[in-house]
Amino acid sequence: AQSVAQPEDQVNVAEGNPLTVKCTYSVSGNPYLFWYVQYPNRGLQFLLKYITGDNLVKGSYGFEAEFNKSQTSFHLKKPSALVSDSALYFCAVRRASGTYKYIFGTGTRLKVLA
Amino acid sequence: DTAVSQTPKYLVTQMGNDKSIKCEQNLGHDTMYWYKQDSKKFLKIMFSYNNKELIINETVPNRFSPKSPDKAHLNLHINSLELGDSAVYFCASSQAPAGGTTEAFFGQGTRLTVV
Repeated sequence: AQSVAQPEDQVNVAEGNPLTVKCTYSVSGNPYLFWYVQYPNRGLQFLLKYITGDNLVKGSYGFEAEFNKSQTSFHLKKPSALVSDSALYFCAVRRASGTYKYIFGTGTRLKVLA
Repeated sequence: DTAVSQTPKYLVTQMGNDKSIKCEQNLGHDTMYWYKQDSKKFLKIMFSYNNKELIINETVPNRFSPKSPDKAHLNLHINSLELGDSAVYFCASSQAPAGGTTEAFFGQGTRLTVV
């Protein structure tokens, strides 16, 4: 079975500081991993994905994420947080084969303080 | 041009009523989904269709019935609405045969409130 854990309900960071939002996953076989962001009363917007290749993937709005197979993690990072980054962030996993399901974590609320 | 569009955006209805939510995607994707987001913001998959064929049904009460008239549309009909059905329902699509690498694209959501 696939699962995703986002251990922090909320992450607070000061504007200009680096941010990390944590995600670990469990899946049989190779994973496809995704990060989405949800602003209030909006749908989910895709940020970035890991499919294969370089473990560090870059995405929209200056975000990046590092795939770590041995730790089964896919943490989202940004070198310098903006107040406008404040939102709800979801990590998702999908098996590389045999299923169409995207399984989402419980979400992490990021609050960037001015 | 909206990629995945849902209607209505808001739906307030009484217990026991029947309602439908419509979803259309103009991305040419083969696969469409319904997700439910509850009050704690948990996102749970309900259904998925691939080329009009139901491929995922996640132990959803049979009061919920998806219908896909063509691969660009996936509607959700809910019978005998209950208070616990109140949630935000998201439609999504992806270009996905099994093993597809693309991300899912989400609609803006339909906020259903059952009173």
